[in-house]
Amino acid sequence: DAGVIQSPRHEVTEMGQEVTLRCKPISGHNSLFWYRQTMMRGLELLIYFNNNVPIDDSGMPEDRFSAKMPNASFSTLKIQPSEPRDSAVYFCASSLGGVTSYEQYFGPGTRLTVT
Amino acid sequence: SQQGEEDPQALSIQEGENATMNCSYKTSINNLQWYRQNSGRGLVHLILIRSNEREKHSGRLRVTLDTSKKSSSLLITASRAADTASYFCATALTNAGKSTFGDGTTLTVKP
Repeated sequence: DAGVIQSPRHEVTEMGQEVTLRCKPISGHNSLFWYRQTMMRGLELLIYFNNNVPIDDSGMPEDRFSAKMPNASFSTLKIQPSEPRDSAVYFCASSLGGVTSYEQYFGPGTRLTVT
Repeated sequence: SQQGEEDPQALSIQEGENATMNCSYKTSINNLQWYRQNSGRGLVHLILIRSNEREKHSGRLRVTLDTSKKSSSLLITASRAADTASYFCATALTNAGKSTFGDGTTLTVKP
């Protein structure tokens, strides 16, 4: 398996623009997680899905952020409009999960820079 | 606040020495996981220890879990320069489909 695939790997955009990050989880995994990592705040869980259904989005910072998982093999994280404070590395991870979390497999991340 | 907190924040050792990192948490857990992150990369799962286990080994890694003290340790024996990375613990509660990550320990192994 190719592992978790994220695109793009790098994104530079101007404040106010819409940004869409994409993730393809490992085939057969039923849980998908979106994280944000910065030096100041560390690794933050934004949202996670189980069987394509959003379970916990309490980490989504504000209404500018939205995430979807239309099917088991694809998820998006959208920021609209983007702001400089959104600059971070965004990771997607997947796992064979259910009511309890086990080992997660992370993608390589998308480094987002908002100027 | 974070469920899992690593200690120390940073550790610098010579190649060949052992490295020990600790993780403390606040509430009862189902399992605890350790991950490694090399600079500019995603996190890689190293080892998972369940709440009813006390010790687990994987190659040069040894993980212990003390549920009475709500703490875990990761020991890397005979460290190598390639072990230079950040190490994170993540705690999973029963019936919570997510894990909570700590802030990590940055390990530098000098050749």
